[in-house]
Amino acid sequence: DAGITQSPRYKITETGRQVTLMCHQTWSHSYMFWYRQDLGHGLRLIYYSAAADITDKGEVPDGYVVSRSKTENFPLTLESATRSQTSVYFCASSEPAGTRNSPLHFGNGTRLTVT
Amino acid sequence: GESVGLHLPTLSVQEGDNSIINCAYSNSASDYFIWYKQESGKGPQFIIDIRSNMDKRQGQRVTVLLNKTVKHLSLQIAATQPGDSAVYFCAQRVTGGGNKLTFGTGTQLKVEL
Repeated sequence: DAGITQSPRYKITETGRQVTLMCHQTWSHSYMFWYRQDLGHGLRLIYYSAAADITDKGEVPDGYVVSRSKTENFPLTLESATRSQTSVYFCASSEPAGTRNSPLHFGNGTRLTVT
Repeated sequence: GESVGLHLPTLSVQEGDNSIINCAYSNSASDYFIWYKQESGKGPQFIIDIRSNMDKRQGQRVTVLLNKTVKHLSLQIAATQPGDSAVYFCAQRVTGGGNKLTFGTGTQLKVEL
């Protein structure tokens, strides 16, 4: 089925470990995004990508790394996890902003706990 | 700044009544607004959107109203059903900022039987 899938759904890791969250979309959308969701903060943008090999920082990029070698994949890596990165992470994709409406379409998230 | 906020954190309505969820935004350069619904354990789900050159848009049982003069957005849900219970977010996009969205903190809608 077409859509956006995230893996894993749940992850527990220790402080200092590297962890990668995966995101795959089948719509061939050019834009992809990573948000984190925390109580009291809503959804905050970590990184986004306008196309393969083009990435840019969002509101809260520190401690995260992204890559986009293929249009359909947009992995998010925590190079050295900290407890403050315990959160629910959502990946999203969309068409480019333009004359048509282009809402973001979200995956079902990865709940990450850093102990 | 580009803050997007909500007036009420929790809204309780009776089944069958109409619901109105409000949202204030601060950036007058916003050109596109979206309402999302989020159920427990799931990602935000697109409900309805509106561009800044419109003031009203209707979908199935939902209507979005945009008042640019006072920077206010609302979502109206007609004949609210138990399945409408969720957290609702408004989001805005600033012109020229790619397709990045800034989200409000959300309103919990509870439908009472």
